[in-house]
Amino acid sequence: DIQMTQSPSSLSASVGDRVTVTCRASQGISNALAWYQQKPGKAPKLLLYGASRLESGVPSRFSGSGSGTDYILTISSLQPEDFATYYCQQYYTTPPYSFGQGTKLEI
Amino acid sequence: EVQLVESGGGLVQPGGSLRLSCAASGNTFSSYSMNWVRQAPGKGLEWISYISKSSSPKYYADSVKGRFTISRDNAKNSLYLQMNSLRAEDTAVYYCAGGANWFDPWGQGTLVTVSS
Repeated sequence: DIQMTQSPSSLSASVGDRVTVTCRASQGISNALAWYQQKPGKAPKLLLYGASRLESGVPSRFSGSGSGTDYILTISSLQPEDFATYYCQQYYTTPPYSFGQGTKLEI
Repeated sequence: EVQLVESGGGLVQPGGSLRLSCAASGNTFSSYSMNWVRQAPGKGLEWISYISKSSSPKYYADSVKGRFTISRDNAKNSLYLQMNSLRAEDTAVYYCAGGANWFDPWGQGTLVTVSS
């Protein structure tokens, strides 16, 4: 099974900062990667899929990049509503799918 | 887009059973592959099961294989998760989520607590 490792596990930042979150797969996943945002008590929300494709309605300050085993989520200019936990998820080949352990973005 | 609402969670004793449901609004449920994803208190997300649009194939995480069964009824726009031989470590919020690869949409979740 493919293991996903996110870093950092937590991150402190300020409004207006540029922030990056990294996700590393235990094997190459050919851009079969999604990113989610989760706020306390709420279901996760899809942000990006295919490593870099922005889901409809998601602000353009969110972007994704990477290839092979290493992927990055970038928030170009943090807004107050962006403080949340972020998860990566691989969907390479058939299930089992797997998530990273999450990155909590705090003020 | 389809909207999803889970139900059926609650308190159950170790070794007990519970059946979760996920009701979909709209007429497009049958066009979605579906999944169950859970989140233990204060922990991350764990994918646990997948079912295709036609109910085959189905997949399970090792942590629930042989104990949980996923099913769906497209005529009733519903997804189910039959959970047997429940353990304390199954305590979590259970989400249904649509999609064959990435997950969207998601339900609001239902809490399952396994405790004596």
